[in-house]
Formats: sequence, C-alpha cells, structure tokens
Amino acid sequence: KQEVTQIPAALSVPEGENLVLNCSFTDSAIYNLQWFRQDPGKGLTSLLLIQSSQREQTSGRLNASLDKSSGRSTLYIAASQPGDSATYLCAVWAGTYKYIFGTGTRLKVLA
Amino acid sequence: ETGVTQSPTHLIKTRGQQVTLRCSSQSGHNTVSWYQQALGQGPQFIFQYYREEENGRGNFPPRFSGLQFPNYSSELNVNALELDDSALYLCASSVSWDRGNSPLHFGNGTRLTVT
Repeated sequence: KQEVTQIPAALSVPEGENLVLNCSFTDSAIYNLQWFRQDPGKGLTSLLLIQSSQREQTSGRLNASLDKSSGRSTLYIAASQPGDSATYLCAVWAGTYKYIFGTGTRLKVLA
Repeated sequence: ETGVTQSPTHLIKTRGQQVTLRCSSQSGHNTVSWYQQALGQGPQFIFQYYREEENGRGNFPPRFSGLQFPNYSSELNVNALELDDSALYLCASSVSWDRGNSPLHFGNGTRLTVT
C-alpha cells in the first residue's frame, strides 16, 4: 500500500532563505509526482508535475526533483518570500485513478 | 480560461441529512475527481468521473455518490451525514485520466460542517 510522508510538518524561516521540503513514498512504482500549494481554507494549486521518467522540473524559484529508486522527492524554494507562506503538499499517481497525498508541510516565511 | 468552480463555499448540515455539492470543471477538461480533506490532513480520493461514468473509487461507503453531466460538470451527494463527514470537499478536473499525465486543477472547495 502506497504511503506518502512529508517532513517537516511545519517550518518557519526568515525571508530570503533557500529551503527544501521533503516528500517520501513507499512504493517506487509511480507514474508521476505532483507538488501543490494550499492557502488556508482554499483549494490546491498545482506547482510542478514530474513524470516518472524525469529527474526534475523547474518553475521560477521552484525546483522539484524525483528519485524513484529511493522513493524521494524534494521541493526547493529559492530566496523565500512572505508570499510563499502556505501548506505544500506532494502527491503520487500510482496508476489507480487517484493521487495519494502526503499530509503537507506548513511553511511560514517571516518578513 | 475559466477555472474549476465549486458551490456552495460553506454548508452546515445536521447528522442524518443529505447534501449535494456542485463542481464546474475547467474548460476542455473531461475528467472530474472528488477528494475529502479533513483538518490537518492531505486530501483523500473519493471517486473519479470520466465522460459521465464513474471509473475509479476510493475507500468511501456507498452513501457517497456522484454524477457527471454532458457538460462535464459534476455533483457529489452524501446521504445520512455523519459527524466525521465534516471536511473540505475538493473537486479537481484534468484533461485526461490516463496515467495522470495532465496536472490536476482544483477548485476552492466546499467546507461542510455536520452538527
């Protein structure tokens, strides 16, 4: 059974820091992995989607990597800003119609 | 391009009642999925509809049911509401269901409170 874990559960950093969010999954047989952002009480916004054949994806200050063999993905945020404060969720697609989500990392960037 | 819209935004119901939540998918998207997100948790998959047929279901009882219409909008119906059904219900649409090659686009959700 696929399980997705995100560490840390919460993170507070000063503005301008580069930071790394971690996501691990127990079954390496995935088709893709997607990173989302969720603001309080809101829906999810897709940030990056990495196909199983890819190693990383980049969008602006965000870079996500995928290592299927070790069951890990990282989301790197460069030069963090207060507007980056949100919960970040990773989800894996295992070919069974559904994404399996982690419980998220709550990020707070202090001005 | 119009995004995914959900209604209502908030809802309060009493245990035992029935509720219908609505979702309009993003233009050009033929696949709709519903997720339940309890407070402090990641979303849990309820079911998925593709071209008006349910083609995938998570571990939810039959009192959770759905519909997809020819315009690809969708409804989630929950009968005999229980206190544990209190959650944020998220609708997501995508261009295709196959292997998740297309990113999911989520609406802002409906916050359901069961008292």
